[in-house]
Amino acid sequence: DVKVTQSSRYLVKRTGEKVFLECVQDMDHENMFWYRQDPGLGLRLIYFSYDVKMKEKGDIPEGYSVSREKKERFSLILESASTNQTSMYLCASSLETGELFFGEGSRLTVL
Amino acid sequence: QKEVEQNSGPLSVPEGAIASLNCTYSDRGSQSFFWYRQFSGKSPELIMSIYSNGDKEDGRFTAQLNRASQYISLLIRDSKLSDSATYLCVVTPILTGGGNKLTFGTGTQLKVEL
Repeated sequence: DVKVTQSSRYLVKRTGEKVFLECVQDMDHENMFWYRQDPGLGLRLIYFSYDVKMKEKGDIPEGYSVSREKKERFSLILESASTNQTSMYLCASSLETGELFFGEGSRLTVL
Repeated sequence: QKEVEQNSGPLSVPEGAIASLNCTYSDRGSQSFFWYRQFSGKSPELIMSIYSNGDKEDGRFTAQLNRASQYISLLIRDSKLSDSATYLCVVTPILTGGGNKLTFGTGTQLKVEL
């Protein structure tokens, strides 16, 4: 079975803190993604990566950056957390078919 | 703006009945269509994909695509309590790959009741 593991299920941070969310997949997928999910807004793509050290902006990249130093690991970084970044963050990896395999999610609260 | 629209629900159906979930999309160039299921507090998981006009059946699930009407549906036969979840309609203009081009609907909450 494909396994996508997100490092933290629940985080509480203060405004202005730097936040790291890490994601590891074990199926050698080329593509990895970071989404956020908010009630009434659905899933929105923040960043994606199609290869090591390659990244592309999604629909809402402002306030976020990413890092992909190894194929299996894709990190999302909030340089200076703000309250409007309180959300559920979902990491996913995919086959070329486009089917996404999601991690369990990281619920971030910024106070 | 490319959109995928779903009724948020909740859609309530009795156990054993057929649940019908619907979705419309705005981009006529869309090529691939998916239904994901998301249980409360969990992440989405793929349950059906469909690429051609018509019906595609997998066990109790049938996905239907009507390109002319830009309409997708998911039928769940013999609904079970364990089918209670939010169902996300997902559309992409790419036939294969293109995970970065997926557009998600906001989901329809299904409640299967005794």
